[in-house]
Amino acid sequence: KQEVTQIPAALSVPEGENLVLNCSFTDSAIYNLQWFRQDPGKGLTSLLLIQSSQREQTSGRLNASLDKSSGRSTLYIAASQPGDSATYLCAVPTSGTYKYIFGTGTRLKVLA
Amino acid sequence: GAGVSQSPSNKVTEKGKDVELRCDPISGHTALYWYRQRLGQGLEFLIYFQGNSAPDKSGLPSDRFSAERTGESVSTLTIQRTQQEDSAVYLCASSFQGAVELFFGEGSRLTVL
Repeated sequence: KQEVTQIPAALSVPEGENLVLNCSFTDSAIYNLQWFRQDPGKGLTSLLLIQSSQREQTSGRLNASLDKSSGRSTLYIAASQPGDSATYLCAVPTSGTYKYIFGTGTRLKVLA
Repeated sequence: GAGVSQSPSNKVTEKGKDVELRCDPISGHTALYWYRQRLGQGLEFLIYFQGNSAPDKSGLPSDRFSAERTGESVSTLTIQRTQQEDSAVYLCASSFQGAVELFFGEGSRLTVL
């Protein structure tokens, strides 16, 4: 059974810092891994999708890496801004099923 | 439409009443998902549709919950005889096909009094 864990659960940093969010999954047989952000009271916004054959994906100040064999992904946020404050979630669909399993998220607060 | 649309955005109901939540996916998206998010908690999978069939409904918590989808279009999640523990945000997502990028709606917040 796929289990997804995100560490840390919460993070508070001053503006301008580079930071790393971690996502671990127990079953490495995945199609892809997706990172989302969720603002309070809102739905989820897709940030990055990494296919199982890829090692990393970049969008602006965001870079996500994937190491399938070790069951880990990291989301790197460069030069953090107060507008980056949100909950960040990772999700994986396990091979053989299209059910996406979500981590419980990292709640990020960037202080001005 | 431009994005995934869900209605109502907010619903307050009395315990024991039935509710219907609607999801209109992005045009052309064959896969549709329902998730539940209780206050302060993660996303809980409910059901997945490919077209109008539901190959995975393993997350439906009880027989009070049901969902249907018309073709590759609108889906309705129905909760019968609502209970207070059903209070949550119900999120719908769609994708071009299974296991590719998911796009979420804003959710329907259900409060059962």
